[in-house]
Amino acid sequence: DIQMTQSPSSLSASVGDRVTITCRASQGISNYLVWYQQKPGRVPKLLIYSASTLQSGVPSRFSGSGSGTYFTLTISSLQPEDVATYYCQKYNSAPFTFGPGTKVDIK
Amino acid sequence: QVQLQQSGPGLLKPSQTLSLTCAISGDSVSNNSTTWNWIRQSPSRGLEWLGRTYYRSKWYNDYAVSVKSRITINPDTSKNQFSLHLNSVTPEDTAVYYCGRGHWPLGFDPWGQGTLVTVSS
Repeated sequence: DIQMTQSPSSLSASVGDRVTITCRASQGISNYLVWYQQKPGRVPKLLIYSASTLQSGVPSRFSGSGSGTYFTLTISSLQPEDVATYYCQKYNSAPFTFGPGTKVDIK
Repeated sequence: QVQLQQSGPGLLKPSQTLSLTCAISGDSVSNNSTTWNWIRQSPSRGLEWLGRTYYRSKWYNDYAVSVKSRITINPDTSKNQFSLHLNSVTPEDTAVYYCGRGHWPLGFDPWGQGTLVTVSS
């Protein structure tokens, strides 16, 4: 099965900072990559699908890129409400493996 | 607006069967462009996809290798819901369990509210 890894596992940044999270797949998955945001005590929320398409209602400060085995999620200007754990997920075929998550908080 | 409402017990003893139900509103379990999934989350295993059921002229299932010998996911068209059954549970099955709709290529959206299932003697 394809394995998903993320880096860093956690980060702390200031409000207004540009933040980038990396997700890697152990084999190529084209652009079938999904990003979720999970705030503390909440259900995961779909942010980005097809590696770079923003889900309706998601602020434009979020963006995604990548294809094959390397993907990134960028928050252009970190806001307090972005404190959360971010997960990537392969969505090309079952099993739909998730990455281990990147926890983002405010410095 | 699609909503998923989970129900089922939150406390089990080892060797029992975990049974959860996910009721669907705003969509149909028989929709031939969606899938109906179960996912769990624990500190030790993170987010783990468990399996899915879906209809494409007939019913199909896919299951994660880690639980394949113990899991069944069934649709219930009369009640527009789907269920998870995981038998022979151990404390390692303690987790928050979620149901989720899969809609290509969006991933899982929405998710159910989550059910904390604790396995303890």
